[in-house]
Order: sequence, then C-alpha cells, then structure tokens
Amino acid sequence: DAGVIQSPRHEVTEMGQEVTLRCKPISGHDYLFWYRQTMMRGLELLIYFNNNVPIDDSGMPEDRFSAKMPNASFSTLKIQPSEPRDSAVYFCASARGLANEKLFFGSGTQLSVL
Amino acid sequence: GEDVEQSLFLSVREGDSSVINCTYTDSSSTYLYWYKQEPGAGLQLLTYIFSNMDMKQDQRLTVLLNKKDKHLSLRIADTQTGDSAIYFCAERRTGNQFYFGTGTSLTVIP
Repeated sequence: DAGVIQSPRHEVTEMGQEVTLRCKPISGHDYLFWYRQTMMRGLELLIYFNNNVPIDDSGMPEDRFSAKMPNASFSTLKIQPSEPRDSAVYFCASARGLANEKLFFGSGTQLSVL
Repeated sequence: GEDVEQSLFLSVREGDSSVINCTYTDSSSTYLYWYKQEPGAGLQLLTYIFSNMDMKQDQRLTVLLNKKDKHLSLRIADTQTGDSAIYFCAERRTGNQFYFGTGTSLTVIP
C-alpha cells in the first residue's frame, strides 16, 4: 500500500485566499484524522471521521475551517479565507477502527500564508 | 485536562542510552504509542504497548509503562546519530481519538 497520501506537499498563498488540502487514506481504513502542527501548539487534532462521517470537529479553530469526506478514499480540509496564523504543517492520518490498530500519517502539507 | 506531557529537549552522546518520558491523562486508554518524526516528514510509528503490559522490548527500543502513575517511557539503547528526531507519545482514548504529546526533540552528539 502507498500509505496516506497528501497533496500538495507545500502551499504558499496570500492572506484571504482559499486553501484546499487533500488526503487519500490507506485503503480499508475507516478512520481519518486531520492534525495541525505548529511550534507553539504542537500537534493538534482538528477533526476526525469514521466511515466518512465527521465524529468530532471540536478542534477546528473557527468557521473558516471546514472538512469533508465525500467517500472512503478522499478527504479535504479547506480554509477560507486564509490568514497568516493558519501557517502550519497539516497532517492527515488514517487507522482501522479496531482497538489495537495504529495510526498512520501522511507526509503533511506545509502551508504558508503570507 | 487533555494534555499529554513530555519534556521538550534531550541530548545524549552517541552510544549512550536515551530515555524519553511521557505523562498521559486517561487511565482508560487501552494503547499507548511512540512515534518518531524526522525533519520535513510525517510521524512514523515506532512501537506501542497495550495498557495491561508493564514493558515491551523491540530490538534497541524498550517501552516501560507505569499505569498507576500514568507514566510512559521510551528507552533507546546504543543511540545513534540517525536517532536524532522528535519523539511523540500518544494515547488512544475511548472513541478512537489519538492524543499526542508535545514531542521531545532528541539530539545525538557524535
């Protein structure tokens, strides 16, 4: 399996623009997680899905952030409008729902909002 | 609270043992994990331990779990320069949420 695939690898945009991050989880994984990593706050859970349904979005910073999972093999995280404080590395991760299953991460998207 | 706590930095000399500590919060967590993050990369699973175990050994890695104190540690024997990275502990809580520590940046001095 190719692992969790994220795109783009790097994104540089200007304040106010819309940003869309993409993720393809590992086939057969029914849980998908979006994390944000910054120096100040470490690794924060933003939202996670189970069987394409959002379960907990309490970590989403504000209404400018939205996430969707239209099918089992694709998810997006959208920021509209983007702000400089959104600059971070955004990770997608997936796992199977069984108790002893591990969480596998993508390589992340480095977002810079100027 | 929800914090999983780790010390931020650790330096060791090549060949010595490294011990990275973590304090977690949820006594009902069933699995605890150690992840390694190299510069510019995602997190890679190193090892994990089930909560009814006290110790798990995997080659140079030894995980110790003190469930009473909610304390987890990772020992790396014969630390090499390639072990320099950020190490995260994580707990899997009820509801299948994974919570991560702040990460410990390990520097191995040649």
